[in-house]
Amino acid sequence: ILNVEQSPQSLHVQEGDSTNFTCSFPSSNFYALHWYRWETAKSPEALFVMTLNGDEKKKGRISATLNTKEGYSYLYIKGSQPEDSATYLCAKRTGNQFYFGTGTSLTVIP
Amino acid sequence: KAGVTQTPRYLIKTRGQQVTLSCSPISGHRSVSWYQQTPGQGLQFLFEYFSETQRNKGNFPGRFSGRQFSNSRSEMNVSTLELGDSALYLCASSRSGSGDSYNSPLHFGNGTRLTVT
Repeated sequence: ILNVEQSPQSLHVQEGDSTNFTCSFPSSNFYALHWYRWETAKSPEALFVMTLNGDEKKKGRISATLNTKEGYSYLYIKGSQPEDSATYLCAKRTGNQFYFGTGTSLTVIP
Repeated sequence: KAGVTQTPRYLIKTRGQQVTLSCSPISGHRSVSWYQQTPGQGLQFLFEYFSETQRNKGNFPGRFSGRQFSNSRSEMNVSTLELGDSALYLCASSRSGSGDSYNSPLHFGNGTRLTVT
C-alpha cells in the first residue's frame, strides 16, 4: 500500500494571504505527481502534472514544486482569493495506477 | 469537447441489491479509471481499463467489477451491496497512459452518489 499524505488537513486564510500545502509520497516507482483542485459540487480539475525531479510549474497565482528523491511536492498560492476556496488533492502515479492523498481543504475568508 | 459523463448522479439502493454505474469518457480518451470516496478517505482506486482490458485493480473485494466497451465507455458494477458501499464514485478518463502520456492529467466526471440503506 502506498501512502500519499497531505498537510495540513484544512486551512483558513484571509483574502490576500499567501499559503502553501505539502504532499508527501513514497519515492519508489514514481511516474508522476498530480495536483487537482476540487470545488464543492464540481468535479476535480487538474492543476499540474509533474514528472521530473526539480520540476516547477506555475499557473497564474498558483505554483508547485517537486522533489522525487525525498518524496514531496509543495503547492503555493500567492495572494489567496475567495475563489481559491476548494480542496486540493495530490496524487502519485505509479504505472497506470493513482494514489491520492486525503486533500487539503482551503477556505479563503473575504 | 464534451467532458466525462457519469450516470446516474444519485442512486439509492437497499442492502443485498446490485448496482451498475456508467461512465462516458472524453472523445479520444481510451483509459478510464474508477475511484471511491467515503468521508475522511482520499479517493480510493478501484480499477483502470484501457482498450477493453483491465490493466490495474485496487484493493477492493470481488463484488466490485467493471468493464469497458469498444467505444471506451465503461461500467462499474457492485453486487450484494453493503452499507459501507455508500460513497461517491468518480470515474476519470485520460489518454493512453504509456510512454510520454504519463504527463496526461485525469479528467473527472461529476460522480455518482450511491446511498445504500
